Order: sequence, then C-alpha cells, then structure tokens
Amino acid sequence: GAVVSQHPSRVICKSGTSVKIECRSLDFQATTMFWYRQFPKQSLMLMATSNEGSKATYEQGVEKDKFLINHASLTLSTLTVTSAHPEDSSFYICSASHLPGQGLATNEKLFFGSGTQLSVL
Amino acid sequence: AQSVTQLDSQVPVFEEAPVELRCNYSSSVSVYLFWYVQYPNQGLQLLLKYLSGSTLVKGINGFEAEFNKSQTSFHLRKPSVHISDTAEYFCAVSDRGSSASKIIFGSGTRLSIRP
Repeated sequence: GAVVSQHPSRVICKSGTSVKIECRSLDFQATTMFWYRQFPKQSLMLMATSNEGSKATYEQGVEKDKFLINHASLTLSTLTVTSAHPEDSSFYICSASHLPGQGLATNEKLFFGSGTQLSVL
Repeated sequence: AQSVTQLDSQVPVFEEAPVELRCNYSSSVSVYLFWYVQYPNQGLQLLLKYLSGSTLVKGINGFEAEFNKSQTSFHLRKPSVHISDTAEYFCAVSDRGSSASKIIFGSGTRLSIRP
C-alpha cells in the first residue's frame, strides 16, 4: 500500500524554539495532506488541511501564525511549530489523501504518517 | 456535528481470547464509519469501513465490525487475538458524501495481548 513518511518521530526542544515536522508521500502524489494533533487520552483533532501550491486551511481555534504549513510540492508538506511552548507538547500526525476528489465512498483513501511526539521543555 | 466515543482507553486480553473494542457515535445525519489501526512506530491503517448495505463488515487480519443504527454503535470484534494484534485502534466517523478532511476520530483504544 501507499506509504507516508513522517520525520522526526520524536523531538525535544526548548521553549521558544521552532520545530519543523516533515510529511512525505513516497509513492503517490498528494495534492491534499492533513495535519492532526492528539493530546493524551484525547481524540485525533484535525488542525489544518494542506493543499499543494496554495495556503493551508486551518480549523477553528488553530493559530495559523503558530503552526506554519508549507506544501510546496506534490509529495511534501511541512508543519513548523513556531516559538514552541510546553502547552504545544503533543503528538502530531500527518496524512495524505489519495484521489481526494473522488470521495470516501469510492476511491479516496487516507494514508497516515507514524506521528511525531513533540516535547517542549 | 459528529462525535465518536471510545469508552475503553486500554483493553488487555489473553492471546487466543476474543475481543470487542467499543465505539459509539453521535450524528444528526447518515454517516460512514471506520476503524483504523496503528501498530507501534507505524502510521494509521484502515482496518475496515462501513458505507452502506450489510451491517456486518469484515476487515483485514480477521477483524469485523457491526453497525447498529439504533444503538449508534460500531463495535470492533475478533474471535481470537494474536500477539501481533497489539496496537492502538481508532474508530472514526464522517458525513456521507464528505471528503477525508471531515473524518472525526475517537480517542483510541490500546489493545494489549498477554501470552
């Protein structure tokens, strides 16, 4: 099946620094990628939808200046947590949509990265 | 708006025993339902999905789930688990006709298999 690679798998940083997380689709072109965040014992929450060549669409309550998303190519989307603080510590997961125009009932499928555990000290 | 509840955050089971992972959802419209599995150090993978038709859905690795509209449930079952089934399992729901961006996930259930 299709593979999505996410790096790094774990990162520890000091408060105030920025952290970049990469999400790559390895064997298909992903015009649409998604970024999620999961706090302990809570649901995976969609943060933003990343579209190749255009601005990301952020969910309500997610600060776009805090979580910068760049989707400059058909196989790579990056999430940068700027000026990270301890409350940003969380598990971040990306996914790439294969055949996004066809809908979940037909051929659209989501392929997920393995996640990034961010710890801000 | 939809929501998904997975009541059990952890389920320990002995190898070869049956298992049921519970999932309840709420929605004012008709939905699609999904179960995803995340093995250690891997991304989420689709186990099975319910779109329409038969309420009993069979997925990969011997798992099945039953859609119960009256109880708004979509519980996942396996008659005999193996050590390799150790993973985190996520139930998810979306509106019919939605794109993947509208999938709502539960908080996950960690299945641990004891030898």
